Amino acid sequence: GNSVTQMEGPVTLSEEAFLTINCTYTATGYPSLFWYVQYPGEGLQLLLKATKADDKGSNKGFEATYRKETTSFHLEKGSVQVSDSAVYFCALSDRGNAGKSTFGDGTTLTVKP
Amino acid sequence: GAVVSQHPSWVICKSGTSVKIECRSLDFQATTMFWYRQFPKQSLMLMATSNEGSKATYEQGVEKDKFLINHASLTLSTLTVTSAHPEDSSFYICSASRQRTYQETQYFGPGTRLLVL
Repeated sequence: GNSVTQMEGPVTLSEEAFLTINCTYTATGYPSLFWYVQYPGEGLQLLLKATKADDKGSNKGFEATYRKETTSFHLEKGSVQVSDSAVYFCALSDRGNAGKSTFGDGTTLTVKP
Repeated sequence: GAVVSQHPSWVICKSGTSVKIECRSLDFQATTMFWYRQFPKQSLMLMATSNEGSKATYEQGVEKDKFLINHASLTLSTLTVTSAHPEDSSFYICSASRQRTYQETQYFGPGTRLLVL
């Protein structure tokens, strides 16, 4: 079956530090990959996505590249802000599952001023 | 665009009562809606997939008689927790997709926190 493995948290960084949150996946087909973010007390919202190999998704300074050879979709940001503090979920959606997504366990990021 | 609302955002009920949670896509038609359950500091657990006009598809281990899902229109799905018990207390989140394709983004509601006393 499909699975998503995320870097364990929590992650604590100082403002303006570089962020990497690792995400690897296993899938039976050729999935689309997503990063969702959940701010405290809120639902999830899409941060970025990529639908084919070598695609780079980007939004709000965050980037992730779909690496088929390493089955990875690592999230990066060059300079984090306090407002980036949230839980980040990596997810995949497989062609055979009619839009259902498989989520990683989430990584909690805390950015300190 | 692509806003999903949930109502109520908070509900406290007595054990044995039923609770209905609504999920609405406000500015688009949702072919598919998903219902998740999220435990504290844990990931989302998919409960069921709901398609307009057809019966919901439940994930393994989810009691369909306990968690009734209705997707009456392209903008509304409801989850009813029947005869709720304290172990049903959780954060319930819905999401909606425009299409039933694997490339489609899911748009999430803000969640409903249920506390069963």
